Order: sequence, then structure tokens, then C-alpha cells
Amino acid sequence: QKEVEQNSGPLSVPEGAIASLNCTYSDRGSQSFFWYRQYSGKSPELIMFIYSNGDKEDGRFTAQLNKASQYVSLLIRDSQPSDSATYLCALRRGSYIPTFGRGTSLIVHP
Amino acid sequence: GAVVSQHPSRVICKSGTSVKIECRSLDFQATTMFWYRQFPKQSLMLMATSNEGSKATYEQGVEKDKFLINHASLTLSTLTVTSAHPEDSSFYICSAGTGTGSDQPQHFGDGTRLSIL
Repeated sequence: QKEVEQNSGPLSVPEGAIASLNCTYSDRGSQSFFWYRQYSGKSPELIMFIYSNGDKEDGRFTAQLNKASQYVSLLIRDSQPSDSATYLCALRRGSYIPTFGRGTSLIVHP
Repeated sequence: GAVVSQHPSRVICKSGTSVKIECRSLDFQATTMFWYRQFPKQSLMLMATSNEGSKATYEQGVEKDKFLINHASLTLSTLTVTSAHPEDSSFYICSAGTGTGSDQPQHFGDGTRLSIL
């Protein structure tokens, strides 16, 4: 079992809709969770991080963490074509090397 | 916010050339930096962990004599691809965090696209 699982997609949503990206993980000791966005041909950029169970909102983005069920999700409200990218889920436990998922490709069509 | 600078952004060179890539943390000190490689439409692959003042830790299958890593200061790590061949053509990305704690996110450089002819 991979440590961080993401559906590779592509996830296709219409402009203005809510995009929901999910990530499950196997290490119950994971403490911190990060979402990165990577445009084609570019390096990843940090969108959000979350440490505690529940929701964390930042503009159009909401990260949701459920440690009991071992999943973390990212909601993008009012999706725009410029949100089309690959979204990487990452987690970290203590000082261990961060672990990345393979990413979910999101396509927002006009 | 934390800024990681990586250069060059693109390198095109002949087979057999050695190529050095620099990764700098501009506004913070990074005792640890990470080097990744990414082939087209593939996921990030961690190559090695660069530790300031000590030897890098390489992931399984990554040749340490092929990919030389030097982390001589708290703000600079370099990756040298020695005697590069076409199969080494890839997108190389470094990352660094402001600390080693679990709550520290990694910030990525802009990446170096290496093309070996």
C-alpha cells in the first residue's frame, strides 16, 4: 500500500463549480498535511497546510482533515480555468522526509 | 514568505557534459534541502536529502557518484549531474523548509529543465 494515495484523474469540473480533491494516507503518525499545486512544466507551489482535524479555509480553498479516517481533502470553490493543474498531497511526521502523493489532475472547463 | 531560488532554469548540453544546478534559500536558513526529479507526466521522485555540513542521503536506485550533492552552507545546495547522458534529461527540482519540524512546509525552487543531446 502506498503511503499517500491520490486518484490521478483527471477530475473535470465546470467553471464555477466546487472541485473536491481527496487524499488518503496509511501512516497514522502523520502530523502535518500539505496541498501543493503544480502547473504543467512548473514546480509545485504551496497552497495550504493543515495540522488539526476539521476544516481550514483560505480564500476559495478549504482543506479538510480527518485523522481517524486518515484522509485529507481540498475543496476549491468557484473553480476557474486557471485552477487547472495537478494537485499534490503531502504529509510529514516529525522530522521525517515529507511524503508526496502522485497528484490529481484537475481540469476546469469554461 | 520563504523563497527558494534555483538556477539555471534550463540547460541544453551535449552528452558527456557535467551540469551543476544551484538551490538557494533566499530569506531563511535550510539545514536540509531535498532534490527531486520529475519526468513528463510523472510524479515527483525524491533523489536525495541534502544535509548542511554532511554527506547527502540518497534514495535507493540513485547513483551517488552520478549525482553529486554538496550542501556547503545553510543557504546553498548544489546538484551536479556528472557525465550526463540523454536518459538524464528531466526536470530537476529542489525544495527547502524553514525548519525540520513536522509543521514546516517545503518550498520549491522553480526547477531546472535539463536536456542532454
